[in-house]
Amino acid sequence: QLQLQESGSGLVKPSQTLSLICAVSGGSISSGYYSWNWIRQPPGKDLEWIGHIYHSGNTNYNPSLKSRVTISVDRSKNQFSLTLTSVTAADTAVYYCARGEGNWGQGTLVTVSS
Amino acid sequence: DIQMTQSPSSLSASVGDRVTITCRASQSISTHLNWYQQKSGKAPNLLIIAASTLQSGVPSRFSGSGSGTDFTLTINSLQPEDFATYYCQQSYSTPITFGQGTRLEIK
Repeated sequence: QLQLQESGSGLVKPSQTLSLICAVSGGSISSGYYSWNWIRQPPGKDLEWIGHIYHSGNTNYNPSLKSRVTISVDRSKNQFSLTLTSVTAADTAVYYCARGEGNWGQGTLVTVSS
Repeated sequence: DIQMTQSPSSLSASVGDRVTITCRASQSISTHLNWYQQKSGKAPNLLIIAASTLQSGVPSRFSGSGSGTDFTLTINSLQPEDFATYYCQQSYSTPITFGQGTRLEIK
């Protein structure tokens, strides 16, 4: 059964870089034609799609974040990652990784605060 | 960006009731519409994909319909575990966008 698990820094200072990894188990990140997504949800607010990557390396990003976001894939480790630069308090959220629409990680809370 | 508008934003209902949640897209998305259920502190759970296809393991009291710009999620005979927040999502084009959610509460 496919499982996804987010990990990374839970506290990031303003203006610094947020980095998260999504480890995939129970399936290969290189198999099939799936999108590997990052989505976030500020506390008490709605879901926001950040972007996705395909195993080919092709990416799409939300234009609202595009200048600050990078999503990459590491096939050797069966994981993909999110980097968000120049963070502010508005980036405080639960960050989820997901394969396509159906398989989501449990989410990880990232707080931006000095 | 394609805007997704859900209504109502909140809904009170009783166990056994039938409820309908609607989702409207700002432009046609064919049937590229998915429905999620989210319980407090948990990741969203996919209920319905492509407007009307029930995911494996999802109870048959859930159903979805619609195409183009107007979609509905119907829950027949509400159960206690159905009280949650429901989101629609369009996967027709990037950026992928979500509705603002419908909070289903116990009356």
